[in-house]
Amino acid sequence: EDQVTQSPEALRLQEGESSSLNCSYTVSGLRGLFWYRQDPGKGPEFLFTLYSAGEEKEKERLKATLTKKESFLHITAPKPEDSATYLCAVQAYSGGGADGLTFGKGTHLIIQP
Amino acid sequence: DGGITQSPKYLFRKEGQNVTLSCEQNLNHDAMYWYRQDPGQGLRLIYYSQIVNDFQKGDIAEGYSVSREKKESFPLTVTSAQKNPTAFYLCASKSAGGYSGNTIYFGEGSWLTVV
Repeated sequence: EDQVTQSPEALRLQEGESSSLNCSYTVSGLRGLFWYRQDPGKGPEFLFTLYSAGEEKEKERLKATLTKKESFLHITAPKPEDSATYLCAVQAYSGGGADGLTFGKGTHLIIQP
Repeated sequence: DGGITQSPKYLFRKEGQNVTLSCEQNLNHDAMYWYRQDPGQGLRLIYYSQIVNDFQKGDIAEGYSVSREKKESFPLTVTSAQKNPTAFYLCASKSAGGYSGNTIYFGEGSWLTVV
């Protein structure tokens, strides 16, 4: 069974204080690892897809990396508008199955001015 | 604008009542999904459809039903058999395949509350 564990559950940072969010996963065959941002009462907003170990992607203050067992979302010099819940999900090669995503519970990030 | 539209945003259900959540997409995506989100839990898959007139149960399908009569539309009915329906419901879609078509995109969600 595919599993995704995100840590920490919640993180409070000062504006400008860089940090990393962790996503550990167990999957039979990784087709892709996804990061989403979710604001309160809204649907998840797609950020990145990573496909293979060693891959990195960047967008503004965010950088996602991938190893064979985990992914990190690095946040550099965050601003209050980066406050949100960040969701990690994995998609496995299901051989004709759901082709859906297995989600972690998310990391609730708060950036204080 | 292309996207996924869910309606209504807020819905209240009385005991014993069936309610239907609407999901429409104009992204020309083949696959569509319904997820449920509860506080402190990850998103869980209810139903999915990869082509018109075909759909499959996800991990928590009991008490729910769907239809896929048009490519653009994938409504979800929450039946009276669903004993704990209060949650945030998310519709999503994905294109058919290919390297760049692997991403699942989400709508803005619908809140369902039992009264």
